[in-house]
Amino acid sequence: TQLLEQSPQFLSIQEGENLTVYCNSSSVFSSLQWYRQEPGEGPVLLVTVVTGGEVKKLKRLTFQFGDARKDSSLHITAAQPGDTGLYLCAGDLSGGYNKLIFGAGTRLAVHP
Amino acid sequence: KAGVTQTPRYLIKTRGQQVTLSCSPISGHRSVSWYQQTPGQGLQFLFEYFSETQRNKGNFPGRFSGRQFSNSRSEMNVSTLELGDSALYLCASSSGQGAEKLFFGSGTQLSVL
Repeated sequence: TQLLEQSPQFLSIQEGENLTVYCNSSSVFSSLQWYRQEPGEGPVLLVTVVTGGEVKKLKRLTFQFGDARKDSSLHITAAQPGDTGLYLCAGDLSGGYNKLIFGAGTRLAVHP
Repeated sequence: KAGVTQTPRYLIKTRGQQVTLSCSPISGHRSVSWYQQTPGQGLQFLFEYFSETQRNKGNFPGRFSGRQFSNSRSEMNVSTLELGDSALYLCASSSGQGAEKLFFGSGTQLSVL
């Protein structure tokens, strides 16, 4: 049973398009993180959201944490080939003890 | 600051053998977590060590064990390897004060033949 449902699983788009990735759960998280992973490397933290309803922006990336802290979304505006990679959401159920529950990931390919 | 260092980078073992993987966290970090990543199951939490004590554990069999040394370096051991243990094993370090800043190493790719 996947505690954190991430969708879509795959996304192939053209440069300049917008996209949104979703993470949903029936569990309440104390925080939720988004990572990007490239082949042969470990995940790299993009952002952490803690407060319900929180919105964070990182250049062309916008992250939102649901009001009930059960879901999150990542929106990329005007995607670029450099955005290609595996995007992972991860929720913290342990209240800060680094026991993260990861979504299955969204594999994004942005074509020039 | 040097990042999280995992050794070895690649490992090939046969069923029934055991393996030890090493992780050196970022200097000053006291928490090391281990994760297993497979195409089918994604990233799954194995365990977390803080100041030489296991603070949290995932749902893996007892064949998976770990330890942390006084310098915060950590090792994980898998005994009696099975084909299904083939995976990328990632360790992540943090200050231990929360999951907000987790830094991952590049992983050890283990293949069990």
